[in-house]
Amino acid sequence: AQSVTQLDSQVPVFEEAPVELRCNYSSSVSVYLFWYVQYPNQGLQLLLKYLSGSTLVKGINGFEAEFNKSQTSFHLRKPSVHISDTAEYFCAVNLNTGFQKLVFGTGTRLLVSP
Amino acid sequence: DADVTQTPRNRITKTGKRIMLECSQTKGHDRMYWYRQDPGLGLRLIYYSFDVKDINKGEISDGYSVSRQAQAKFSLSLESAIPNQTALYFCATSDSTPDSLSKHTFGSGTRLTVV
Repeated sequence: AQSVTQLDSQVPVFEEAPVELRCNYSSSVSVYLFWYVQYPNQGLQLLLKYLSGSTLVKGINGFEAEFNKSQTSFHLRKPSVHISDTAEYFCAVNLNTGFQKLVFGTGTRLLVSP
Repeated sequence: DADVTQTPRNRITKTGKRIMLECSQTKGHDRMYWYRQDPGLGLRLIYYSFDVKDINKGEISDGYSVSRQAQAKFSLSLESAIPNQTALYFCATSDSTPDSLSKHTFGSGTRLTVV
């Protein structure tokens, strides 16, 4: 079975500081990986995705993530955060078998303060 | 108008009552999903439907049922609501093309409280 682990439930950071949100997955087959962002009182928006190819993927709002197969990780990074990045971030995985079902991590709340 | 519309946005209901959450989409997607979100647990899949004649249970289907009335409509029912079904419910859609995984489109959610 596949699973996704987001070890940090909450990450506080000051504005303009760098941030890394961690995501590890377990799967016996190849996977597709995603990061979603949920702003307060809104649904989920796709931030970025890894399907194949380059292991460094860039998303919206200056975020990027690196797929590391040996460490089964897909950590999300941003070199300089803004107050507006305060939100909950979800890592998700889907088996590379054609079934479009997403398994989500438990989420990491990013709190950016001035 | 939103691509994926959920109604109601908020609902408070009593234990034992039947309640239906509705989802409609204008994306033209084949596939529709219902998730629930609980603090600290992320999103968990309740039911999914790959087309009008195809309904599948997700990881937490007990206590829920669904109906795919049309390609664009997918409703979730709680036959007899209980307090631990208090959660934020999301409907999502995707198409069936090879890159559809990146096209999961979510509604804005329905916040359900069972008292």
